[in-house]
Amino acid sequence: AQTVTQSQPEMSVQEAETVTLSCTYDTSENNYYLFWYKQPPSRQMILVIRQEAYKQQNATENRFSVNFQKAAKSFSLKISDSQLGDTAMYFCAFMTVGAQKLVFGQGTRLTINP
Amino acid sequence: DAGVTQSPTHLIKTRGQQVTLRCSPKSGHDTVSWYQQALGQGPQFIFQYYEEEERQRGNFPDRFSGHQFPNYSSELNVNALLLGDSALYLCASSCLAPRLPDYGYTFGSGTRLTVV
Repeated sequence: AQTVTQSQPEMSVQEAETVTLSCTYDTSENNYYLFWYKQPPSRQMILVIRQEAYKQQNATENRFSVNFQKAAKSFSLKISDSQLGDTAMYFCAFMTVGAQKLVFGQGTRLTINP
Repeated sequence: DAGVTQSPTHLIKTRGQQVTLRCSPKSGHDTVSWYQQALGQGPQFIFQYYEEEERQRGNFPDRFSGHQFPNYSSELNVNALLLGDSALYLCASSCLAPRLPDYGYTFGSGTRLTVV
């Protein structure tokens, strides 16, 4: 069974700073996807970024980038130039290719202060 | 293009009662998955429906059941409600067939169920 661990329950930074959220996972699978989701108070899960395990290049989406270390089973999210709208719960998630089932971590509550 | 729609948004039920939650998937999606998110926790997979059948199931008791209709919409039913069933129930739709490079989930905003 796969497990996802987020060791930082809460984080807080000032606007415009850079923040990194940590995630580790455990799996015996070789083909999988990793995701970071954002959940604002509106409750809807919003996909921030996705990484395919077979790709060595780290995924980037504007201010969001990941550091994917497959051997270490680590998948951290870096948010650059943080904005007030980035305040939310962030969940790391794992999906075996073809499984269509997400395994989530416990989440990190991120607060961006003005 | 409408996203995933869930109803109702909030619900209060008494212990022992039964509840039905509803989900309409994103246009073009054929698979519906349900998740339970307890307060302060990450979502937990309940089950998934494809072609009107339960395709896979998480570690939830038989009190949790579901259905998928020919238009791909889905219902989640919970019988004999317990206080511990209080949670946010999230529906997510995706496209299983054909598999596309970007078949990521689209989530709804959830139904907040409170059992008293």
